[in-house]
Amino acid sequence: GAVVSQHPSWVICKSGTSVKIECRSLDFQATTMFWYRQFPKQSLMLMATSNEGSKATYEQGVEKDKFLINHASLTLSTLTVTSAHPEDSSFYICSANRISESSDTQYFGPGTRLTVL
Amino acid sequence: GEDVEQSLFLSVREGDSSVINCTYTDSSSTYLYWYKQEPGAGLQLLTYIFSNMDMKQDQRLTVLLNKKDKHLSLRIADTQTGDSAIYFCAEYTGTASKLTFGTGTRLQVTL
Repeated sequence: GAVVSQHPSWVICKSGTSVKIECRSLDFQATTMFWYRQFPKQSLMLMATSNEGSKATYEQGVEKDKFLINHASLTLSTLTVTSAHPEDSSFYICSANRISESSDTQYFGPGTRLTVL
Repeated sequence: GEDVEQSLFLSVREGDSSVINCTYTDSSSTYLYWYKQEPGAGLQLLTYIFSNMDMKQDQRLTVLLNKKDKHLSLRIADTQTGDSAIYFCAEYTGTASKLTFGTGTRLQVTL
């Protein structure tokens, strides 16, 4: 099956520091990856669409200078939360789009829990 | 715009069937998905259905789609305690090229 990993799974950082989260598709290539955030007991909110070799597309209300996305290869996208603040504490989940002859499906990573002190 | 709604909570006894419902508003949806999320974990794809189908069965899971009413359901037969989780439906529209998630239904399975 399609496997997507995230690293780290949990990070605690001080306010003002930057945190990088990696998303990897382990057994398939993904030209498109997505970054979501999820607050407790809420649904997933799409933050941005990451396209390999081009700039990410951000959803309305998401600050592109704060949430830097890089999709340098077909198996890796990174999300960097710059100058993190306590309100950025959340569960960040990535997904990778796998396209086959019969479907176009997003496979999700296990998530990264970010806590900013 | 897209709007996907689900009931917040469902409790069933072990061995019974569970039916989780979802309504959506975007008639141009091409795929509809069901994902399962266990506490502190990512999303696990359970099943999906093309918008031109009205039913799909996969072992204990049955998906029903009523495109006219924009209603999607997931039936879990012989529900087990391991099925306790949050279930999200999601619609995908090719024009927007993104998934829109429902609000999630927490399924509690009791003995």
